[in-house]
Amino acid sequence: DTAVSQTPKYLVTQMGNDKSIKCEQNLGHDTMYWYKQDSKKFLKIMFSYNNKELIINETVPNRFSPKSPDKAHLNLHINSLELGDSAVYFCASSQETLNYGYTFGSGTRLTVV
Amino acid sequence: DQQVKQNSPSLSVQEGRISILNCDYTNSMFDYFLWYKKYPAEGPTFLISISSIKDKNEDGRFTVFLNKSAKHLSLHIVPSQPGDSAVYFCAATTRGANNLFFGTGTRLTVIP
Repeated sequence: DTAVSQTPKYLVTQMGNDKSIKCEQNLGHDTMYWYKQDSKKFLKIMFSYNNKELIINETVPNRFSPKSPDKAHLNLHINSLELGDSAVYFCASSQETLNYGYTFGSGTRLTVV
Repeated sequence: DQQVKQNSPSLSVQEGRISILNCDYTNSMFDYFLWYKKYPAEGPTFLISISSIKDKNEDGRFTVFLNKSAKHLSLHIVPSQPGDSAVYFCAATTRGANNLFFGTGTRLTVIP
């Protein structure tokens, strides 16, 4: 029973398309995140949501928009995809106090061609 | 600006020996540090953490050491096992902040 699940695992799409990545957690955690791992393997936060409210929005293009219908879900919508968006995107969740760090999903490898 | 750095991209160790993975940070406000382990095609998995009020935390074969004055932490794995082969990420945060700053990872290979 997967704690943090992301779909799809792989996504190949053309430049200019709009795509979504879904994330769900069944841990009862209050906070969810999207991280991006670029080609240099650098894991960097994009967004953080606490109880459906946006609390961190790092400098990412506004083509990226998170949507949290409830505290168990945080989906990532990307409009007008660009080649530079190719990366692995990780969803994660945590208790608000961050005692044990995050529980990560297995990642979505996005390739823009 | 990378606030957490892992300067060794890879490390190879014989089975049964000690593995030492290093991490440096620049932000003196960080007060909580974590290590994550990542296998291919999986997300990072929390391994061990340490608060800045301690200089050592041990969990089985894994020990994390923190040197605040040097802004340096290390993860020791002893004895190393082939199943420990993975990428290890160091991360840091300020308690209460819902954001982790990650290093770029060190790929550990334990040779049987």
